[in-house]
Amino acid sequence: DVQLEQSGAEVKKPGESLKISCRGSGYNFGDYWIAWVRQMPGKGLEWMGFVYPDDSDTRFGPSFEGQVSMSVDRSLNKAFLQWSSLKASDTAMYFCARRVIGSNYFDYWGQGTLVIVSS
Amino acid sequence: EIVMTQSPATLSVSPGDRATLSCRASQSVGTAVVWYQQRPGQAPRLLISAASTRATGISVRFIGSGSGTEFTLSINNLQSEDSAIYYCQQYNHAPQTFGQGTKLEIK
Repeated sequence: DVQLEQSGAEVKKPGESLKISCRGSGYNFGDYWIAWVRQMPGKGLEWMGFVYPDDSDTRFGPSFEGQVSMSVDRSLNKAFLQWSSLKASDTAMYFCARRVIGSNYFDYWGQGTLVIVSS
Repeated sequence: EIVMTQSPATLSVSPGDRATLSCRASQSVGTAVVWYQQRPGQAPRLLISAASTRATGISVRFIGSGSGTEFTLSINNLQSEDSAIYYCQQYNHAPQTFGQGTKLEIK
């Protein structure tokens, strides 16, 4: 079965760095782009960007370029979302999702990683 | 960027009845629309792609329709487990964009 397993919840202070992960299993991890999607408290879904595991190519949504970075470790079948300096406004649930080949929608989702940024 | 507008914001329907959720695109997206279901505390789940194709394992009670700028998700014979927020998303034009969601409550 296809599964995306995300790392656990994080509580951080403003200005700290953070890297969260998403491990894919049950399929050829290198063949599918991984998307990151933000859901702020009580709000809807926002696409942040994609990373392609085979060559680490990335694409970012207009609101997220320069705010986060995305990477992969093919040996671990993991994708990562990283912040260098967190802000309180980064408090949200973050989902990874598998992008359907040849399309821009998502067929499998991770369970989500809650990130709380508070002083 | 294409704006997807969902209505109503909240819908309250009795068990066994039908719910009709709407999604409007700010410009034509053909049939490149999907619907997701997000139950409380869970990740979104793909229900419908290409406006009307049910994803693997999705009940026949879920029916998607529409093209161009107007799309509908109908859910027949409502059950308590259908209580969730439903999101549409277009993928015809980059960047793909989501609607703001419709919260479905089962009375």
